[in-house]
Amino acid sequence: GDSVTQMEGPVTLSEEAFLTINCTYTATGYPSLFWYVQYPGEGLQLLLKATKADDKGSNKGFEATYRKETTSFHLEKGSVQVSDSAVYFCALSDQGGKLIFGQGTELSVKP
Amino acid sequence: DAGITQSPRHKVTETGTPVTLRCHQTENHRYMYWYRQDPGHGLRLIHYSYGVKDTDKGEVSDGYSVSRSKTEDFLLTLESATSSQTSVYFCAISEEYMNTEAFFGQGTRLTVV
Repeated sequence: GDSVTQMEGPVTLSEEAFLTINCTYTATGYPSLFWYVQYPGEGLQLLLKATKADDKGSNKGFEATYRKETTSFHLEKGSVQVSDSAVYFCALSDQGGKLIFGQGTELSVKP
Repeated sequence: DAGITQSPRHKVTETGTPVTLRCHQTENHRYMYWYRQDPGHGLRLIHYSYGVKDTDKGEVSDGYSVSRSKTEDFLLTLESATSSQTSVYFCAISEEYMNTEAFFGQGTRLTVV
């Protein structure tokens, strides 16, 4: 079945460092891809999405590009802030419309 | 914020007892989902609904049942709770399937002792 694999965490960075969180997927057809973020004690919220190959999703300085040839959707940010500390989930929407999540990557940003 | 309310927010229950979690939405979205979140597993789909009285199983449905008698309410029942069902449960809603954003509730932390 369809699946999503994320790099393991936790990831600890200093403020203003460059962030990359790797995400690869296995899917039949052409899924939509998402990044969700979960701040402590809260539910998940959508960070960005891409619906077809070569699309770039972006929001709040985060970016991810849908790479069909490498089946990847890596999350990047040029300069992280303490307020970006959270758990990040990569997800895809399968043929039946259900969201399938990766295991999550915890990010901790130190001042 | 999307209008999704989960209740209760926290619950401790004993092994073998039935437990019902409620998800209530005010957005009139067609699709509703129950996920559980466990360390190292991300979120895993338990059951979902694509309309009133229309439900289907997710990847971890054993030991759980659901009901949706109204558009706004989606109930998750653990028929006989076990310690392996200790988890954080999230309800989510979406207007359509594929390509659309899902909105999540705040979660219910369930502990089975």
